[in-house]
Amino acid sequence: ETGVTQSPTHLIKTRGQQVTLRCSSQSGHNTVSWYQQALGQGPQFIFQYYREEENGRGNFPPRFSGLQFPNYSSELNVNALELDDSALYLCASSSATEVQETQYFGPGTRLLVL
Amino acid sequence: AQKITQTQPGMFVQEKEAVTLDCTYDTSDPSYGLFWYKQPSSGEMIFLIYQGSYDQQNATEGRYSLNFQKARKSANLVISASQLGDSAMYFCAMRETYSGAGSYQLTFGKGTKLSVIP
Repeated sequence: ETGVTQSPTHLIKTRGQQVTLRCSSQSGHNTVSWYQQALGQGPQFIFQYYREEENGRGNFPPRFSGLQFPNYSSELNVNALELDDSALYLCASSSATEVQETQYFGPGTRLLVL
Repeated sequence: AQKITQTQPGMFVQEKEAVTLDCTYDTSDPSYGLFWYKQPSSGEMIFLIYQGSYDQQNATEGRYSLNFQKARKSANLVISASQLGDSAMYFCAMRETYSGAGSYQLTFGKGTKLSVIP
């Protein structure tokens, strides 16, 4: 196990609602990245947080936003949910001081938007 | 153009045999890293092996080895002595240097589904 935890594990929402997903990073890691994985696809980068600041963003609209807290845990917020937001959301933690900066993933949150 | 290409949607291998999963990549960044992850049906992405662009030797981790051919831009994963528990999706991913300090997003391929036959 990586030590990265995510909550909740599963979530069902309706179109137009808002959702918050949570991630606790592995001990000693200061960077958190979020990915969206649609069914049958590889994960797509949403954004990354480093020292509580957004530090890179993929091709996702502003209704996808996030936070990182002083303990390096993180939240992903999605407003105005659309049907296409149904996916597995993966959080990964890493350390900026490690040469490889390997990202270690949590178990994911499965979001279904009806 | 796709940055990571995995051309094998599905592969079958007999238990105890070796299998090679293909990955080609495209980048103009001289400094990059290549990763392989395993994703069982539970969904969690499990890190397997890493190869840096400047590494002189192919990476190995237990039964996993990476056949890194830099000129061909390929980074194939070799799994030796396959086990039933190896049945999963396997993703190749690349990390390039991003413009922001400290940001290293991973770009993933579409994955290969490996099935190990008893």
